[in-house]
Amino acid sequence: DARVTQTPRDKVTEMGQEVTMRCQPILGHNTVFWYRQTMMQGLELLAYFRNRAPLDDSGMPKDRFSAEMPDATLATLKIQPSEPRDSAVYFCASGTSTDTQYFGPGTRLTVL
Amino acid sequence: AQTVTQSQPEMSVQEAETVTLSCTYDTSESDYYLFWYKQPPSRQMILVIRQEAYKQQNATENRFSVNFQKAAKSFSLKISDSQLGDAAMYFCAYRRMRGAQKLVFGQGTRLTINP
Repeated sequence: DARVTQTPRDKVTEMGQEVTMRCQPILGHNTVFWYRQTMMQGLELLAYFRNRAPLDDSGMPKDRFSAEMPDATLATLKIQPSEPRDSAVYFCASGTSTDTQYFGPGTRLTVL
Repeated sequence: AQTVTQSQPEMSVQEAETVTLSCTYDTSESDYYLFWYKQPPSRQMILVIRQEAYKQQNATENRFSVNFQKAAKSFSLKISDSQLGDAAMYFCAYRRMRGAQKLVFGQGTRLTINP
């Protein structure tokens, strides 16, 4: 039963600290997405990759957020420095170019 | 830019009854995908059903079916024989068929099932 995995599931940190979230896409999926879910904004795209190359990161605050795919089995989303307004659930999803996106369980981030 | 609107923040239904969740969208594209995702309290986003815009036939998955009206840009979800496990947030989402592949989500509808 193939599924997207994300770690950590929950993260509580203090303002100013670096946060790294990791995602393992489903094997064979060439497209990886990062979404953020908040009560105010709902679900919004931060960035996505195809074949490990970034295609769109226009939804991501560039000064503090960065997203990478070091290899086909790992995607990372980093926030440095973190701020209270970054508190949200961060979802990773994967798919193929013509297929449905399958979501991981999300990382709930709380920045104090 | 594409937008998705879910006009019902909350809905409730009696167990075993039928409920319909509404979704409208705005796009200038002719080819696209539409989805319904379910998010239970566990927060996992689960695909419920998907519709390709070029298909006239409405998609069905067991107790879940859609009413896709392309001209009206409407995509409602019907849940038949509602079960307690159907209680969740339901999100309607749009994706272009070509070009940018991001999902554009509605604000969600919280569905409560009354025993």
